[in-house]
Amino acid sequence: QKEVEQNSGPLSVPEGAIASLNCTYSDRVSQSFFWYRQYSGKSPELIMSIYSNGDKEDGRFTAQLNKASQYVSLLIRDSQPSDSATYLCAAGGTSYGKLTFGQGTILTVHP
Amino acid sequence: DVKVTQSSRYLVKRTGEKVFLECVQDMDHENMFWYRQDPGLGLRLIYFSYDVKMKEKGDIPEGYSVSREKKERFSLILESASTNQTSMYLCASSSSSHSGNTIYFGEGSWLTVV
Repeated sequence: QKEVEQNSGPLSVPEGAIASLNCTYSDRVSQSFFWYRQYSGKSPELIMSIYSNGDKEDGRFTAQLNKASQYVSLLIRDSQPSDSATYLCAAGGTSYGKLTFGQGTILTVHP
Repeated sequence: DVKVTQSSRYLVKRTGEKVFLECVQDMDHENMFWYRQDPGLGLRLIYFSYDVKMKEKGDIPEGYSVSREKKERFSLILESASTNQTSMYLCASSSSSHSGNTIYFGEGSWLTVV
């Protein structure tokens, strides 16, 4: 059973702080990793994708991948109240673009 | 921009009714998916399709069937709706040829079975 586990949360951080979201995956053949953001009552939207070990930065977001440890993380710098949402981690292999999703971590950024 | 459209956003159906959920994507994607999302259970894959008329079971296919007669359209069918199928249903699509396997979601269909 392929699994993706996320830190359970909920996570609460003050405005301006760094939010750290973590994810581990069990399937060693996973090659692609994604972070989606989902606002309450809305569908998931893609924030970041990462395929190689190391860091990938996009604005205030940094995704980190360590395939040896089977670990993916998302850092949100200068967190804003508008970042309050559920964050979904997903891992994919080569099978027809299927992704396995984690349970999600609820992030609240308070002013 | 990729657009995945789910035509029925909110439905209320009676137990035993046949339910169709329609999904259309406009990016010529090969792969299409149906997920359901429930509190505490996350996103669970029901069925997916990697080509016209091709389908594969996901993690929770029981009680569901799908149809893909055209590349852009993927339908989810509940043959006899039951109350435990009350959920939010998400259609998604992805390309096999580029952008890794990024999945793009529709806006979701909220189904209530009474």
